Amino acid sequence: AQSVTQPDIHITVSEGASLELRCNYSYGATPYLFWYVQSPGQGLQLLLKYFSGDTLVQGIKGFEAEFKRSQSSFNLRKPSVHWSDAAEYFCAVGAGPGYSTLTFGKGTMLLVSP
Amino acid sequence: NAGVTQTPKFQVLKTGQSMTLQCAQDMNHEYMSWYRQDPGMGLRLIHYSVGAGITDQGEVPNGYNVSRSTTEDFPLRLLSAAPSQTSVYFCASSPAEPQETQYFGPGTRLLVL
Repeated sequence: AQSVTQPDIHITVSEGASLELRCNYSYGATPYLFWYVQSPGQGLQLLLKYFSGDTLVQGIKGFEAEFKRSQSSFNLRKPSVHWSDAAEYFCAVGAGPGYSTLTFGKGTMLLVSP
Repeated sequence: NAGVTQTPKFQVLKTGQSMTLQCAQDMNHEYMSWYRQDPGMGLRLIHYSVGAGITDQGEVPNGYNVSRSTTEDFPLRLLSAAPSQTSVYFCASSPAEPQETQYFGPGTRLLVL
C-alpha cells in the first residue's frame, strides 16, 4: 500500500532564510505527487504537483519541489521565507482506482521567526 | 462555479445522535472523496466514489455511510455519533483523469460530546 512520510513535525525558519520540507513516499507504480498548504482554520490549497517530465516543478507563492525517484523523495523548497508562509504543509500521493484519492503525510508545521 | 461546497460549517452533536454532512460540487467531476483531519494525523480517507452509484471504503470507514445518487452530491452520514468522530471533515472532487487536481471544500468542524 502507498504511504507518505514527512519526517519533521515542526520546523522553525527565520524570515528571509531558505526552506526545505522533506517528503518520502512509498508507491509501486509511477507516483503522482502533490504539496498542499493549510493556514490555521482554513482549507487546503494546492502549491504544486508532479506527474511526469521535468523533475523540478514550480508552484505558487515561490515554492518549488524536486522529484527524486532514486530517493523516493519529493522535497518542497523556497529560497526566502516570508512570515505569511507560516502554515501546515502536507505532502500527498495519488492513490486508489484511477488515482481517484490521495494518501497524505501527517504534515509539517512551519513556524517563521522574525 | 461555486466549486466544492460543504454544509454545515460547524456542528455540535451528542453521543448517539445521527447527522448528515453535505457535500456538493458543480464542476461535473466524476471522483469525490471524504477525508477527516485530526491533529498530528494528516488527512485520512473515509469513503470515496468514482461515479454516481459507485462508492468504496477508504482507510477509516467505520461509523460512516455514504451514497452517490447524483454526480453533484456526496453526503456523509454518521448513524450514531461517537466522541472519536470529533474531527474536521473535508470533501474533495476531481475529474476522472490521473493528472487532475483534487479540489477541496472548506471543511465541516464536528464536535461530539
